[in-house]
Amino acid sequence: AQSVTQLDSQVPVFEEAPVELRCNYSSSVSVYLFWYVQYPNQGLQLLLKYLSGSTLVKGINGFEAEFNKSQTSFHLRKPSVHISDTAEYFCAVSGKAGGSYIPTFGRGTSLIVHP
Amino acid sequence: NAGVTQTPKFQVLKTGQSMTLQCAQDMNHNSMYWYRQDPGMGLRLIYYSASEGTTDKGEVPNGYNVSRLNKREFSLRLESAAPSQTSVYFCASDRTDYEQYFGPGTRLTVT
Repeated sequence: AQSVTQLDSQVPVFEEAPVELRCNYSSSVSVYLFWYVQYPNQGLQLLLKYLSGSTLVKGINGFEAEFNKSQTSFHLRKPSVHISDTAEYFCAVSGKAGGSYIPTFGRGTSLIVHP
Repeated sequence: NAGVTQTPKFQVLKTGQSMTLQCAQDMNHNSMYWYRQDPGMGLRLIYYSASEGTTDKGEVPNGYNVSRLNKREFSLRLESAAPSQTSVYFCASDRTDYEQYFGPGTRLTVT
């Protein structure tokens, strides 16, 4: 079984400040890790993913995340946020179940950027 | 490319009514998924289809059925809608590296 915990349900921050959204996971098998963003009244879209290789992963819109296997974490960071980054962010893990990799999503973190 | 499309965008049902949510993708992906999204619960997997002709239950399958009509289309059916099925439903498909592509969602209200 696998699970994802997003440690903060809401993160308020001022524009141009740095931000970190935290994600921890548990799994008994090797996993792939993802961060998705959801803007109001839209579907989810991929920010970045970790499949293998370098543990620091860069994504779209200036976001990056670091895979830490020993701490089973995949925290998302951005050095300077914009108003337009206000959205819901979801961490997801895909581990092998049978012949397929089935994703599990966290409950989401609402990032609120204030001017 | 349209990506993943879903119909309808909105639907209101009375308790006990049935309906089918339609999903199609034009990216030649093998796997397709149905999720529901409820406030504070994230996305929960209802059913998935790893390939044409196969379907499997996810975390919350009760009250739903699915059909993988062909490689492009994956429908979700509510046989007898209940208020607990009020939610936003998302269809998704994924590439071989497991990056998921989502549709715009269907907002369903059951009264």
